[in-house]
Amino acid sequence: QSALTQPASVSGSPGQSITISCTGTSSDIGDFNYVSWYQQHPVKAPKLLIYDVSNRPSGVSHRFSGSKSGYTASLTISGLQAEDEADYYCSSYATTTTVIFGGGTKLTVL
Amino acid sequence: QVQLVQSGGEVKRPGASVKVSCKASGYTLITSDITWVRQAPGHGLEWMGWINDKNGNTNLAQKVQGRATMTTDTRTNTAYMELRSLISDDTAVYYCARRSGVSWFDPWGQGTLVTVSS
Repeated sequence: QSALTQPASVSGSPGQSITISCTGTSSDIGDFNYVSWYQQHPVKAPKLLIYDVSNRPSGVSHRFSGSKSGYTASLTISGLQAEDEADYYCSSYATTTTVIFGGGTKLTVL
Repeated sequence: QVQLVQSGGEVKRPGASVKVSCKASGYTLITSDITWVRQAPGHGLEWMGWINDKNGNTNLAQKVQGRATMTTDTRTNTAYMELRSLISDDTAVYYCARRSGVSWFDPWGQGTLVTVSS
């Protein structure tokens, strides 16, 4: 598998909640609770949002939350704000490739 | 605070090599692996591998095995990633990051743009 599957784009209005999915296989998401999520603003380095499926590093807003069911992980952003507009990437530990990233999802705040 | 500062951008000819540095501050490399991730223009993130400073062991993605070498210098607390036999598809921003868990990375360096062009 070359990459985890994410929707190319999602959008939402300020104050709304959105969910970004990340689908893998039995060799990655389905077999390990090592899913992480990153936020990347244009020409900036990625920033860790969620690790090990649902853990939030200190300093990351409580509006970001993660979950997993079967082969699909999800990132939910509640109370959408203009500053949330960015690209989001999921990642998982994998038996075949060690680490695999998703293709990325562009979030537009309307 | 923990910070990773990378070397500046590079322009290389096809077939050449490039070596990107990543200097850590606020912690010592020996306590955590350093991972390298690249991002081609307009594309997503691609994991390249990681190195353990304590024993020098590396785990490289299959795609770069044989062309990439990851090293560390304990004296200067700096990690390096060298990529040889460059092709145009290697044009990308290269990031180093601290491996803070099994497969999560924080913080990240600011990135180094490597352009391969004739």
